[in-house]
Amino acid sequence: EDQVTQSPEALRLQEGESSSLNCSYTVSGLRGLFWYRQDPGKGPEFLFTLYSAGEEKEKERLKATLTKKESFLHITAPKPEDSATYLCAVHRGRDDKIIFGKGTRLHILP
Amino acid sequence: KAGVTQTPRYLIKTRGQQVTLSCSPISGHRSVSWYQQTPGQGLQFLFEYFSETQRNKGNFPGRFSGRQFSNSRSEMNVSTLELGDSALYLCASSTRGSEETQYFGPGTRLLVL
Repeated sequence: EDQVTQSPEALRLQEGESSSLNCSYTVSGLRGLFWYRQDPGKGPEFLFTLYSAGEEKEKERLKATLTKKESFLHITAPKPEDSATYLCAVHRGRDDKIIFGKGTRLHILP
Repeated sequence: KAGVTQTPRYLIKTRGQQVTLSCSPISGHRSVSWYQQTPGQGLQFLFEYFSETQRNKGNFPGRFSGRQFSNSRSEMNVSTLELGDSALYLCASSTRGSEETQYFGPGTRLLVL
């Protein structure tokens, strides 16, 4: 069965302490991988789309990378405002469905 | 450009009732997808509409249905509500569909008592 697994489930970091979030997937016919940020009580906010292994994208303190089995969201020198749940989703080509992981809850301590 | 809007934002219903949720996509977007988000299951795909036609459907019972109007606005209906239907219902729009970036609305929080 196709799956999207995010780890860790929760992560607490000190301000300025860099780290990475993982999204591993077993999906046949991957057509794209998406990263979203979700704040409490709000809908997910788009961050990145990655389409092929080796691709990297950056935005401010965030950098997303993609391999054939997983994606990483690297957070460099995070600030308290980076605290949120980060969601990974894959676009499965065989039926055009989007499958979401359960997310990583990130908390940055000042 | 205005974002995706959803109404109502909060809703309380009792078991057995039915509910209709509304979503207005970003102007120019013709694809609208609906998702259910719960703490245990995360975000799960319900269905996608494109140009008034259901183009894709998730693994939910027939009590969950939807439609899309000519102006791309979409409604989702849940009949015979169950306690387990309590969730955040999210709508997302894109220009053409799941191959493109989807932009989410704020969601409708449904509580079934």
